[in-house]
Amino acid sequence: DVKVTQSSRYLVKRTGEKVFLECVQDMDHENMFWYRQDPGLGLRLIYFSYDVKMKEKGDIPEGYSVSREKKERFSLILESASTNQTSMYLCASSQQGPSTYEQYFGPGTRLTVT
Amino acid sequence: AQSVTQLGSHVSVSEGALVLLRCNYSSSVPPYLFWYVQYPNQGLQLLLKYTSAATLVKGINGFEAEFKKSETSFHLTKPSAHMSDAAEYFCAASRGGTYKYIFGTGTRLKVLA
Repeated sequence: DVKVTQSSRYLVKRTGEKVFLECVQDMDHENMFWYRQDPGLGLRLIYFSYDVKMKEKGDIPEGYSVSREKKERFSLILESASTNQTSMYLCASSQQGPSTYEQYFGPGTRLTVT
Repeated sequence: AQSVTQLGSHVSVSEGALVLLRCNYSSSVPPYLFWYVQYPNQGLQLLLKYTSAATLVKGINGFEAEFKKSETSFHLTKPSAHMSDAAEYFCAASRGGTYKYIFGTGTRLKVLA
């Protein structure tokens, strides 16, 4: 069974803290994604990685960075958390090849910044 | 710019009634299209996908969707709603044949007993 896991289901951080969200997949997928989910806005792509150490900005990269040192792990970093980054964060992975390959999602991390 | 529109952020149906969730896309080239479901406190799970092989696509849990190029639509249907179908549903399209998707804003389905 395919698996995408995220390090925390719930996280509470203070404004200005550096926050790390971790994602691990066990499917040997080349592509990994970080999304942010907000009510009424759907899922918005923050960053995308298509290989180790390779990354591409998504639609809303401001205030975020990412790291992919190993194929199975993709980290989202909030350098200085702000209250407007309170949200649900979803990680996903997919194979490369024809873009019909579906994305597999983790359970999400609900981050609250106070 | 490419976009995906889901009409109706909330839809309520009675148990046993037809489920119809609407999705329209804007693209000069028909993209690959997907429907995902999100149950409470879970990630997204693929229901079905359109990859140009057949316009009527059958998915899991009795759902199906029909691709209509003339209407730029990919509506999701299920003949008879079950209480367990209560969830949020997202339509997504691949961007210009890339691995990246654009998602609609979601439709929350409520099933009434």
